[in-house]
Amino acid sequence: KAGVTQTPRYLIKTRGQQVTLSCSPISGHRSVSWYQQTPGQGLQFLFEYFSETQRNKGNFPGRFSGRQFSNSRSEMNVSTLELGDSALYLCASSLLRGAGTDTQYFGPGTRLTVL
Amino acid sequence: QKEVEQDPGPLSVPEGAIVSLNCTYSNSAFQYFMWYRQYSRKGPELLMYTYSSGNKEDGRFTAQVDKSSKYISLFIRDSQPSDSATYLCAMRDSGGSNYKLTFGKGTLLTVNP
Repeated sequence: KAGVTQTPRYLIKTRGQQVTLSCSPISGHRSVSWYQQTPGQGLQFLFEYFSETQRNKGNFPGRFSGRQFSNSRSEMNVSTLELGDSALYLCASSLLRGAGTDTQYFGPGTRLTVL
Repeated sequence: QKEVEQDPGPLSVPEGAIVSLNCTYSNSAFQYFMWYRQYSRKGPELLMYTYSSGNKEDGRFTAQVDKSSKYISLFIRDSQPSDSATYLCAMRDSGGSNYKLTFGKGTLLTVNP
């Protein structure tokens, strides 16, 4: 079974621009979560989507948004990019949304550099 | 105080050594505990998954959870150069509306041949 895929893998943008990142979960997984990873803060939770609805949101400004489609694929958008948004953005999918011993499986990430 | 504390290292050991990695946490609602391994320029890969207190062994890896002390550990026996990576502890509560993982910052491990 194919793993979580993320596109693009690398992205360079300038301050003030916006960016859209894409994530395809493992087949059959309906929960998709997004995390930001930086050397200073580590992995921080952005938001989680299940059945096309945002179920949980982390402490990030409104410039960070996302959505999920009916096929469970998800996109996240960052508007008005700032230098501090440079990070590895990781997508993770899960089958049962934490029920029992279900957990999250991560994609390779999109490395965003803001100049 | 951060919810999850993890010594960032770096930790450098010779091949064959026993490695001990640890995390402490403050949120008593955490019930599920995970260790992920992350190679350079890759996404985190699930290594071990433990529910509540106790030990779990998988090959050269042993995960321990002590909920009374809010302390989790990962032991790697007979460490190999291929174990060189960043190890992240992660944990969550029972889920529901708050389904998310909370991570430590990771420990960078280098195993020298």
